[in-house]
Amino acid sequence: GQSLEQPSEVTAVEGAIVQINCTYQTSGFYGLSWYQQHDGGAPTFLSYNGLDGLEETGRFSSFLSRSDSYGYLLLQELQMKDSAFYFCAVRDPYNQGGKLIFGQGTELSVKP
Amino acid sequence: NAGVMQNPRHLVRRRGQEARLRCSPMKGHSHVYWYRQLPEEGLKFMVYLQKENIIDESGMPKERFSAEFPKEGPSILRIQQVVRGDSAAYFCASSPAGNNEQYFGPGTRLTVT
Repeated sequence: GQSLEQPSEVTAVEGAIVQINCTYQTSGFYGLSWYQQHDGGAPTFLSYNGLDGLEETGRFSSFLSRSDSYGYLLLQELQMKDSAFYFCAVRDPYNQGGKLIFGQGTELSVKP
Repeated sequence: NAGVMQNPRHLVRRRGQEARLRCSPMKGHSHVYWYRQLPEEGLKFMVYLQKENIIDESGMPKERFSAEFPKEGPSILRIQQVVRGDSAAYFCASSPAGNNEQYFGPGTRLTVT
C-alpha cells in the first residue's frame, strides 16, 4: 500500500522561509507532487518531482530523495496569502497511474 | 480556457435521498477523477474514468455509489440513499492523460440532514 506523512501544522512569520516535509511508503513510485488548498477550495498544483533533486518555481521549491523516500516543499519570502493547507501526493503506479494518494495535509499559518 | 467545473457547489439532501454531482473537465481533457475530502483531512481517491470507461474504482464504496463519464456530457457521481456519513466535499479533477498533472474543480459540498 501507499502512505504519506507530513506535519499537521507549521507556523512562520511573513518574509521568512519555511520547509514542509513529507515521507512516503509506496509499493511503486511515479514521483511526488505538492498541492495548495485555501479554505477548502480547489486544490492547486504547485510542484512535481519525478527524479532526485530540487525543482524551483518562483518562491516555491520542492526537493526529492528517492533513496530516503522523502521530499519537502520550501516556501521563501512568505506572504500572508501563503496561509493554506499543503498536501504532498504520490501517484499509484497501477491502472495507468491516475490515482493520486494524498497526505493528511499541513496547515501553514503565516503571522505578520 | 475554462477550468474544471462542478455543480452544484452546495447540495443538501435528507437521509435516504439521492445525490447527483456533476463534473465537466477542462477542454481537451478526457480523464476524470473523483476525490472525497472530510473536514481537516486529505483528499481520498474514489474513482478514475475515461470517456465511457471506468479505469480504477478502488476507492469507491461497494454499495450506493456509482460514477459514469458518458461520451457526451459531464461525469456524474451518484450516491443513492445518502447517509450522514456521506457529508463531505467531493472534488473532481481532470487531465489530458492518465499520468499527467491533475486540475481540480471547486468541489461540491454535500450535507446530509
